[in-house]
Amino acid sequence: AQSVAQPEDQVNVAEGNPLTVKCTYSVSGNPYLFWYVQYPNRGLQFLLKYITGDNLVKGSYGFEAEFNKSQTSFHLKKPSALVSDSALYFCAVKRWNQGGKLIFGQGTELSVKP
Amino acid sequence: DVKVTQSSRYLVKRTGEKVFLECVQDMDHENMFWYRQDPGLGLRLIYFSYDVKMKEKGDIPEGYSVSREKKERFSLILESASTNQTSMYLCASSVVRLGNMNTEAFFGQGTRLTVV
Repeated sequence: AQSVAQPEDQVNVAEGNPLTVKCTYSVSGNPYLFWYVQYPNRGLQFLLKYITGDNLVKGSYGFEAEFNKSQTSFHLKKPSALVSDSALYFCAVKRWNQGGKLIFGQGTELSVKP
Repeated sequence: DVKVTQSSRYLVKRTGEKVFLECVQDMDHENMFWYRQDPGLGLRLIYFSYDVKMKEKGDIPEGYSVSREKKERFSLILESASTNQTSMYLCASSVVRLGNMNTEAFFGQGTRLTVV
């Protein structure tokens, strides 16, 4: 069965420092992985996805994610964090045998302090 | 831009009431989804629909039903609301392309439902 795990409930970073939000996956077959962001009292916004090809995927708002097959990870990264990046981040994977539905991790709260 | 609109941002309902949550998308997407979001649990899939009048159960369908009479509209129904259904409800849609696997879903702004 396809699943993702986000091992950290919260990540704290100082503004200007690099940030990493971790995600590991468990899939049979090729993984289709996604990152979403949720600002307070808002729906989810799509950031980026890994389908195939380059292991470093670039997305919206300066975010990127690194796909690592040997470690079954898909960590979200940004070279220099902004206070406005503070939000809830979700990693997700698609299920092969159920019409491509998205299955989400539990979410990681990112807090960027000035 | 894709727009997914949920009819209410906040709702307060009484235990035992029948509750309707409405979702409309304007991009002619085939797939539509209802998720529930709870702290520490992430998003859990309640139901999804891949075509008009078609529906499939997700991971937590108990206590819910859905209706899709038109392609753009997907309704979530709480047959008899209970306090444990107090949650944030998120609707999403996606296009069918290349077997569904590489397409992202677009989300509405969410409905925060409180059952008292």
